[in-house]
Amino acid sequence: NAGVTQTPKFRVLKTGQSMTLLCAQDMNHEYMYWYRQDPGMGLRLIHYSVGEGTTAKGEVPDGYNVSRLKKQNFLLGLESAAPSQTSVYFCASGRQAEAFFGQGTRLTVV
Amino acid sequence: SQQGEEDPQALSIQEGENATMNCSYKTSINNLQWYRQNSGRGLVHLILIRSNEREKHSGRLRVTLDTSKKSSSLLITASRAADTASYFCATVDSGAGSYQLTFGKGTKLSVIP
Repeated sequence: NAGVTQTPKFRVLKTGQSMTLLCAQDMNHEYMYWYRQDPGMGLRLIHYSVGEGTTAKGEVPDGYNVSRLKKQNFLLGLESAAPSQTSVYFCASGRQAEAFFGQGTRLTVV
Repeated sequence: SQQGEEDPQALSIQEGENATMNCSYKTSINNLQWYRQNSGRGLVHLILIRSNEREKHSGRLRVTLDTSKKSSSLLITASRAADTASYFCATVDSGAGSYQLTFGKGTKLSVIP
């Protein structure tokens, strides 16, 4: 009963490097979300998807790209990491009535 | 900008006391949800209240919604040390085709044994 699984859990990147965060859900949910959480800022929505093959921008999309090629997976990409992208990233899946969260990815960009 | 704003930012109470947290939001909503986050963990859904509801209960949780004031409150009765966590409100806008789940900045609750 995995729910929402994020990989990796921790990562350190150098400025300018690229990486992809993977989110996988096994609940057959249509909606998936990527958030970042910074101290004192709560959760801010980066991108979201309402179904396979669809993506949309959230509140803070700049510097990130996403893809939803399969219903169960939602990928978040950083093409050229910047120190301002140091954060904890959370993926969630669900519906309008409830979202289920992964355990987070702690990313540090040096 | 973020939809919800919780108040207070931090709250410290003794075990057994009640804890009240408030949330204000900006736009018309479809529903409002409360989530809990233990330190270093993901968020967990607690309760949902729809825009046509005024009050809802779940165990020791009581949520109220005042759409005229664009505000909600979460009451935790008879608090326990295990209730120590951050609590967030989240809203789903009522606009057509809106699927964004938008969170506030949270209230950090500390329950002292």
